[in-house]
Amino acid sequence: AQTVTQSQPEMSVQEAETVTLSCTYDTSESDYYLFWYKQPPSRQMILVIRQEAYKQQNATENRFSVNFQKAAKSFSLKISDSQLGDAAMYFCAYRTFYKLIFGTGTRLQVFP
Amino acid sequence: DGGITQSPKYLFRKEGQNVTLSCEQNLNHDAMYWYRQDPGQGLRLIYYSQIVNDFQKGDIAEGYSVSREKKESFPLTVTSAQKNPTAFYLCASSPTSGQGRISPLHFGNGTRLTVT
Repeated sequence: AQTVTQSQPEMSVQEAETVTLSCTYDTSESDYYLFWYKQPPSRQMILVIRQEAYKQQNATENRFSVNFQKAAKSFSLKISDSQLGDAAMYFCAYRTFYKLIFGTGTRLQVFP
Repeated sequence: DGGITQSPKYLFRKEGQNVTLSCEQNLNHDAMYWYRQDPGQGLRLIYYSQIVNDFQKGDIAEGYSVSREKKESFPLTVTSAQKNPTAFYLCASSPTSGQGRISPLHFGNGTRLTVT
């Protein structure tokens, strides 16, 4: 069975600095998809970035980028130029054809 | 605008009562999902449905039931058999054809259920 592990329950960063959130996963599949979701205090789930496993190039969305290491089964999220609005829970997720499997989340605090 | 509507936002029930959480989508998505969120445990899958009149158990289906009579609707019933029903419940949907596999899930705003 696929599993997703986020080993950092909490992280903090100063405004304008860079922070990296870790995620590892376990799977026997070769073709799959990975996502990072953000959940602010409103509790709405917001897609941050997605990565296709067959693509070697790391995905980037504005200040958000990933470091995808397929052999190591690692999928970390880098947030550059952190802003106060980035404060939220961040969930890493692995997509099978039928469902999305989530990690336990990392709470990110941003200090001015 | 297309989206997923969950109602109500807050729900209170007495122990021993069944309660049904509503989820409606107008995104024309085939697949729908129910997740439960508890502190420190992330999101756990309760049930999912790929097509009308068909659904499968997720990882924590015990004490829950669903129906999928219409493409737009996927209500979740929390029964009295669910030992710890107090939680935050999220409904989601996604397409299944074409780029369905790479499509992220679209989420509703959730329902906070409190059982006392």
